[in-house]
Amino acid sequence: SQTIHQWPATLVQPVGSPLSLECTVEGTSNPNLYWYRQAAGRGLQLLFYSVGIGQISSEVPQNLSASRPQDRQFILSSKKLLLSDSGFYLCAWSGKGLAGTYEQYFGPGTRLTVT
Amino acid sequence: KQEVTQIPAALSVPEGENLVLNCSFTDSAIYNLQWFRQDPGKGLTSLLLIQSSQREQTSGRLNASLDKSSGRSTLYIAASQPGDSATYLCAVRPRGSTLGRLYFGRGTQLTVWP
Repeated sequence: SQTIHQWPATLVQPVGSPLSLECTVEGTSNPNLYWYRQAAGRGLQLLFYSVGIGQISSEVPQNLSASRPQDRQFILSSKKLLLSDSGFYLCAWSGKGLAGTYEQYFGPGTRLTVT
Repeated sequence: KQEVTQIPAALSVPEGENLVLNCSFTDSAIYNLQWFRQDPGKGLTSLLLIQSSQREQTSGRLNASLDKSSGRSTLYIAASQPGDSATYLCAVRPRGSTLGRLYFGRGTQLTVWP
């Protein structure tokens, strides 16, 4: 069965510091991968998605970036965090049209607090 | 752009009640609709996925219906239990979204008290 991992689970970082959040998927190959952010009082916001190694698409222009160095690894980064980057970051994966559904499965999330 | 709305934003009911959560979307050209559950501080758990050609899906005490033409979906929870307390989110995948992009509502926060 497929499993999706995220780490760290929680993170407290000062403004201006760098960020690296990691997501890995087990039990599947060549998945679509997604990064979402869930801020207090707001819905889920899609940040980045990837259909393959080195292929990243950005939904929202901001100081965050994403990379996919391996098939089942997705990394979210920032060079300098802003207060507004605080939130709950969720990674998700989907198959490439498994029975045409693209059903998405989510990881446990990372709670980021920027101070 | 697809917009998804969920009503009510919060709901508090006694144990044993049957309840309905509502989801509406502005563009009926969807491929499918997915209902998720989110416990506090946790990730999302997929509950049900309804393809655009389907009218409903059932899983245990949960039943989700889809009326694509009117842009509505409902999640029916039978005989609610305190363990059902969570936030329920719906998300639609628009037609033409080959990458599986989902548009989410803000969720309904459900509290079931004993």
